[in-house]
Amino acid sequence: GQNIDQPTEMTATEGAIVQINCTYQTSGFNGLFWYQQHAGEAPTFLSYNVLDGLEEKGRFSSFLSRSKGYSYLLLKELQMKDSASYLCAVRDSNYQLIWGAGTKLIIKP
Amino acid sequence: ETGVTQTPRHLVMGMTNKKSLKCEQHLGHNAMYWYKQSAKKPLELMFVYSLEERVENNSVPSRFSPECPNSSHLFLHLHTLQPEDSALYLCASSQGYGRGSTEAFFGQGTRLTVV
Repeated sequence: GQNIDQPTEMTATEGAIVQINCTYQTSGFNGLFWYQQHAGEAPTFLSYNVLDGLEEKGRFSSFLSRSKGYSYLLLKELQMKDSASYLCAVRDSNYQLIWGAGTKLIIKP
Repeated sequence: ETGVTQTPRHLVMGMTNKKSLKCEQHLGHNAMYWYKQSAKKPLELMFVYSLEERVENNSVPSRFSPECPNSSHLFLHLHTLQPEDSALYLCASSQGYGRGSTEAFFGQGTRLTVV
C-alpha cells in the first residue's frame, strides 16, 4: 500500500529552527507538496519539490531525496504564527495525491 | 470574494436530516475536489470534478451526493448520515487535473457534526 509518515506533533521555541520530516512509500513519484493549516483554517500551499535538493522560500525551505523517499520542511526564525499543522503530500504514478496525517507544530515563547 | 469559499462553516445535523454543503471558487480553475478531514488522519479524497464532469469517486457511501453545476460551483448533498461522518469537509480547486494540474487551493471547510 501507499504510505506517508510524518511525526504527529513537534514543539519548538520562538526564534529557533525546526525540521519536520516526511517519508513516503508510493507507487511512483511525481512531486511532493507541503501545506500549512492553521486550526480551523484552509490548508495553504507552501512548497513543491519534484527534483532532489533544497528549495528555499524565505524562512521556509523544503528538501527532497527521491532515492531515500524522504523530504523535510525547515522553518527558520520561528514565530508564534508558525504554530499550525504541516501536511506532506506525494503525487503518485497516477498523479493522485497521497496525504500524510500532518504534523502539529507548537511554538513556545 | 477571492479564493475558495465554503458555506456553511459549521453544521449540526440529525441522522435523518438532508443538508447541502456549498463551495465556490473565484480562481478560474477547471477542477474541483471534496475531501474529508478527520482528526489525526490523512485527507481522504471523496470526489473529483474536471471540466464539470465527475472523474473520480473513491468508494464514498451513497449518502454523500456531489453536484457540479458549473466550473465555479460544487455542492455536497448529505442525507441519512451517521455519527462517524462527523468531520471537516474541505473543498479544493486546481487548474488542470492529474498530470497537468497545479497545486490545490483549499476552502476553510465545513465542520460537520452528526448527532
